[in-house]
Amino acid sequence: NAGVTQTPKFRVLKTGQSMTLLCAQDMNHEYMYWYRQDPGMGLRLIHYSVGEGTTAKGEVPDGYNVSRLKKQNFLLGLESAAPSQTSVYFCASGDGQGDDNSPLHFGNGTRLTVT
Amino acid sequence: AQKITQTQPGMFVQEKEAVTLDCTYDTSDQSYGLFWYKQPSSGEMIFLIYQGSYDEQNATEGRYSLNFQKARKSANLVISASQLGDSAMYFCAMRGLKTSYDKVIFGPGTSLSVIP
Repeated sequence: NAGVTQTPKFRVLKTGQSMTLLCAQDMNHEYMYWYRQDPGMGLRLIHYSVGEGTTAKGEVPDGYNVSRLKKQNFLLGLESAAPSQTSVYFCASGDGQGDDNSPLHFGNGTRLTVT
Repeated sequence: AQKITQTQPGMFVQEKEAVTLDCTYDTSDQSYGLFWYKQPSSGEMIFLIYQGSYDEQNATEGRYSLNFQKARKSANLVISASQLGDSAMYFCAMRGLKTSYDKVIFGPGTSLSVIP
């Protein structure tokens, strides 16, 4: 029972390089989210998706792009990495809406360092 | 716009004592859900408890309970009989509907340390 799987777990990039973080879930969830976690700032929502083929901006979308071509996968791309994007990235998935008590299920995170 | 505030960056509690972690929120949605998550030093996010905006009773889950005051827009987490394993970061989160289009946003977190 894999749940939410993020790859890679660690990555070091040089400024200006690009990369894609992959999130895969096997729970048939409609909703998927990408967050970044920085000290003292909690988890901030980058982008999210409420279904296959749809994406929406979160709180801090600049410098990132996403795609949800398949329901089970949610990709986060950095086209030109900057040191400010050094962070721990979490993917989460969930089902239901509003008052539904379905919690988010999180991956184990990706630690990204941009030098 | 939605916003979650957790005003306690760090808290200490004696083992076996109860502790309250504060959470206030702001939303224009009529229907929303509030969640608490725990993040131990190992880094994983662990779901603790949920409160729906239309729930009349405060949520409880084992040693965790939620003090929900809708008019004040607060959803404080109460941990009873603290254990050493409760030392962790705690995040309050909110999921909205309609105007928020199912965004789930988090507060900055509170670091809880349980003292033996």
